[in-house]
Amino acid sequence: AQTVTQSQPEMSVQEAETVTLSCTYDTSENNYYLFWYKQPPSRQMILVIRQEAYKQQNATENRFSVNFQKAAKSFSLKISDSQLGDTAMYFCAFMKRSGTYKYIFGTGTRLKVLA
Amino acid sequence: DAMVIQNPRYQVTQFGKPVTLSCSQTLNHNVMYWYQQKSSQAPKLLFHYYDKDFNNEADTPDNFQSRRPNTSFCFLDIRSPGLGDAAMYLCATSRDTTGLAGDETQYFGPGTRLLVL
Repeated sequence: AQTVTQSQPEMSVQEAETVTLSCTYDTSENNYYLFWYKQPPSRQMILVIRQEAYKQQNATENRFSVNFQKAAKSFSLKISDSQLGDTAMYFCAFMKRSGTYKYIFGTGTRLKVLA
Repeated sequence: DAMVIQNPRYQVTQFGKPVTLSCSQTLNHNVMYWYQQKSSQAPKLLFHYYDKDFNNEADTPDNFQSRRPNTSFCFLDIRSPGLGDAAMYLCATSRDTTGLAGDETQYFGPGTRLLVL
């Protein structure tokens, strides 16, 4: 069975600084997807970034980038130039490419951006 | 804009009184999911529909049922809500289950917060 671990329950960062959220996972699958979702206090889950495991290149979306280390089963999220609007709960999620179409979520990291 | 819509955003019900939450989507996605999320926890999948095929999670209580009358709408029925069912209920969709890149990404609605008195 797959598991996803986010070892940092809470983090804070100063506005304009860079922060990295960690995520590790355990799987015997070779083909899968990884995601980072953001859930602000208003509670709507928003996709931040996704990574296809067969792609070695790290995904990037504006200020958000990932460090995907497949062998180490690590999928960290880097937020550059942090903004107050980045304050949210961040969830890492795993999904096998075939079979069930279910996400395995981590327990989340609550990020607070300080002015 | 195409989106996932949930109504109502807040729902108050009484202990044991049936309640229905609704979800609609304009994305024309084949798959719809219902999650339960309690405070500061990860969402927990209750069930999902692939088109009209219903897929229940093994640990979803019988108290929770779902209906999907058409592609756009999906309902969550809680037959006899208990205090422990107070939570945020999230609806999500994904395009398909082909395994093709992009089909698997889930898009979430804003959620319905359920309060049980």
